[in-house]
Amino acid sequence: DAGITQSPRHKVTETGTPVTLRCHQTENHRYMYWYRQDPGHGLRLIHYSYGVKDTDKGEVSDGYSVSRSKTEDFLLTLESATSSQTSVYFCAISDEQGTEAFFGQGTRLTVV
Amino acid sequence: SQQGEEDPQALSIQEGENATMNCSYKTSINNLQWYRQNSGRGLVHLILIRSNEREKHSGRLRVTLDTSKKSSSLLITASRAADTASYFCATDAGGAQKLVFGQGTRLTINP
Repeated sequence: DAGITQSPRHKVTETGTPVTLRCHQTENHRYMYWYRQDPGHGLRLIHYSYGVKDTDKGEVSDGYSVSRSKTEDFLLTLESATSSQTSVYFCAISDEQGTEAFFGQGTRLTVV
Repeated sequence: SQQGEEDPQALSIQEGENATMNCSYKTSINNLQWYRQNSGRGLVHLILIRSNEREKHSGRLRVTLDTSKKSSSLLITASRAADTASYFCATDAGGAQKLVFGQGTRLTINP
């Protein structure tokens, strides 16, 4: 498996609290992505990064922010969690634009 | 809205039969990829086809691409129970520095 680790794997949090999910890679890949997966919606892109400090919004970025201060870490922050952000979150990495992506095992987040 | 849309949303066939899934997309692409996801797991890359290719094979997988129709198909021949999974297409959305997925097809292979 590609060296990509998501933490935590499971989290339950209360509405209104901040939450940070971490994606860590050991592959030195340039591109990193955060997706959420919900029944009936497939994978939807939240934010992505094409280099250190270079990030951009995906299709469902409202309520989320990201940071990438070094190549190996891509953090996803929910500033004030809402129940609609209950989902499974996947991080992915790729070496070149639009090429094979490697996925983490996912983080199941429940906002109560 | 998402770049890729798979059809059908769910497919159930008998073991040994062939399974065909389709993907349509909206913008021009440099390449299109197919991924598999087993229940509760992350996605695994299956195959990539470039915009200048029309067909590609990998083992029991056959992928076609029709850029004029903005569509692709994934054929799995001689299906096995282990092929039971969800299958997703993904595109680079016209060279943008991102990877966009469709909603997926849930494939069930019945023994």
